[in-house]
Amino acid sequence: DAKTTQPPSMDCAEGRAANLPCNHSTISGNEYVYWYRQIHSQGPQYIIHGLKNNETNEMASLIITEDRKSSTLILPHATLRDTAVYYCIVRGDRTDKLIFGTGTRLQVFP
Amino acid sequence: GAVVSQHPSRVICKSGTSVKIECRSLDFQATTMFWYRQFPKQSLMLMATSNEGSKATYEQGVEKDKFLINHASLTLSTLTVTSAHPEDSSFYICSASRLVDTQYFGPGTRLTVL
Repeated sequence: DAKTTQPPSMDCAEGRAANLPCNHSTISGNEYVYWYRQIHSQGPQYIIHGLKNNETNEMASLIITEDRKSSTLILPHATLRDTAVYYCIVRGDRTDKLIFGTGTRLQVFP
Repeated sequence: GAVVSQHPSRVICKSGTSVKIECRSLDFQATTMFWYRQFPKQSLMLMATSNEGSKATYEQGVEKDKFLINHASLTLSTLTVTSAHPEDSSFYICSASRLVDTQYFGPGTRLTVL
């Protein structure tokens, strides 16, 4: 599975959009981009995933570049409860293994 | 999203004893369940993958005789830490998926071995 690169930490003001980038320059055509988040001392929470097209659900939007080498997770109106470590993971279509990197620690401040 | 539970949420045991952790998928049938371990300030590390009715597949460096995994039904997997030692103290997290699909995670079990 392709490796991902994320900034170690980011800050965001409450009520503003949080844009979390992820680089996956070695992604192959059949690999999905998944996003999870982990709030302190809890299990990871699924957020969203995509293959080629941009995706949106009740939690977030996922923007994938046309060449698929990077993506951005957007939390449109961040709240204090969105403070967590966000993981971007690339997963092949023939495996359900997830390999977690170090993620981005998002701190939402009042 | 799908709901996965774990029991117990916390356990403290003496060195040398065995501890069993249960993972249940509450609202879907999980063909595959995964076990992860997370040490403080580190990321999740995959320990093993188990398919219902089959032997678990362990990641490199994970002792299969120490971490016994059973996945006897489509809604239940168990992880038994045998002869636990203080270095086994960690946060153990399970996840479940149906076919090759999104994984949903349990809330985790914090194991402390004295």
